[in-house]
Amino acid sequence: NAGVTQTPKFQVLKTGQSMTLQCAQDMNHEYMSWYRQDPGMGLRLIHYSVGAGITDQGEVPNGYNVSRSTTEDFPLRLLSAAPSQTSVYFCASSYSSGTSHWEQYFGPGTRLTVT
Amino acid sequence: SQQGEEDPQALSIQEGENATMNCSYKTSINNLQWYRQNSGRGLVHLILIRSNEREKHSGRLRVTLDTSKKSSSLLITASRAADTASYFCATVPYNTDKLIFGTGTRLQVFP
Repeated sequence: NAGVTQTPKFQVLKTGQSMTLQCAQDMNHEYMSWYRQDPGMGLRLIHYSVGAGITDQGEVPNGYNVSRSTTEDFPLRLLSAAPSQTSVYFCASSYSSGTSHWEQYFGPGTRLTVT
Repeated sequence: SQQGEEDPQALSIQEGENATMNCSYKTSINNLQWYRQNSGRGLVHLILIRSNEREKHSGRLRVTLDTSKKSSSLLITASRAADTASYFCATVPYNTDKLIFGTGTRLQVFP
């Protein structure tokens, strides 16, 4: 299994540009989520999904959109990039929240810089 | 504001010593988890403790949970230089599907 994969690894955007960060998992996990990590801030939840077709907002959803059309993929879209969105983005997945597992598997991250 | 806060923010110890990190959170939870992150890489799950459990062990890790004080601690015994990393607690607030992370403790273990 490849686990959780994220592309690209690095990205530089100009203010106002849009882009999609890709996340895929091959573990048949129902739960997927996106976090951003800024220095000294820990990880903050952006959006999450409990299954295909279902998404919900996390702690810092503004400026980001998600969709979940398949179990495997959970792309994160930046609508109009701003310097405040410069961060490292992590995607994670786990078995359904209805189980006792809840262990999250993280991807390697995407380092995004907005100039 | 974040659900969890770790204490201390940074910790430096010698190999062989024990490292203790604490986590406090704000609301009732379903479970609490600890993760480790090496140098900006993805996080790795260490241990999960449910709200009806008080203590859990995994190898050199010992986690305690006190729901009355809304706090948890992670003890790493006989630390090694390879334990150098950031450690985060994360909680699932009661009746939610969100996993909310704390701010983390940076642990440095000197050989």
